[in-house]
Amino acid sequence: AQSVAQPEDQVNVAEGNPLTVKCTYSVSGNPYLFWYVQYPNRGLQFLLKYITGDNLVKGSYGFEAEFNKSQTSFHLKKPSALVSDSALYFCAVRDGGKFYFGSGTKLNVKP
Amino acid sequence: GAGVSQSPSNKVTEKGKDVELRCDPISGHTALYWYRQSLGQGLEFLIYFQGNSAPDKSGLPSDRFSAERTGGSVSTLTIQRTQQEDSAVYLCASSSPSGGGESSYEQYFGPGTRLTVT
Repeated sequence: AQSVAQPEDQVNVAEGNPLTVKCTYSVSGNPYLFWYVQYPNRGLQFLLKYITGDNLVKGSYGFEAEFNKSQTSFHLKKPSALVSDSALYFCAVRDGGKFYFGSGTKLNVKP
Repeated sequence: GAGVSQSPSNKVTEKGKDVELRCDPISGHTALYWYRQSLGQGLEFLIYFQGNSAPDKSGLPSDRFSAERTGGSVSTLTIQRTQQEDSAVYLCASSSPSGGGESSYEQYFGPGTRLTVT
């Protein structure tokens, strides 16, 4: 069965420090992986995706994610967090046209 | 260009009443999705339309829920005989087809309709 797991409900990090938001997946075949961000009182926005090619993908707002096939992971990273990065982050996998979303991780960046 | 729009933005209804939620996708996007997001929860897939193919309704929680997409564009999600557990934010998203270049498979979300059943 297809699934996406975000093991952390919340991640706290100080501004300027690196951040990681974890995601693991389970899907048959080659995964199409995505990260979306939801700012308070705003809709979900696409951040980045992995379809094929280089395992390290770069996206909006300085975020990047690394596809690791052996660990079935697609962790979201940023070298230096900003207070404005505080939001709810969702990992998703596409399989057969449908998308399966994780439960979300709330990122809190403290000044 | 215009993004995905949804109406109404908020809907309060009494238990047992029917409601219709509307989604206007981005022009040219052949795929359209409906999701439900309950407070503090992730996104729950409801239904998926792709072009002229039969929709994937596997996520609809009960036969009180139905959706249609007219002319390959606007979509309406209908909930009959609403229950309090139907209270949630209903999100619509559209995406361009495979082979659509750099933006393929990326979903563009509308602002959602917050449904409250009293």
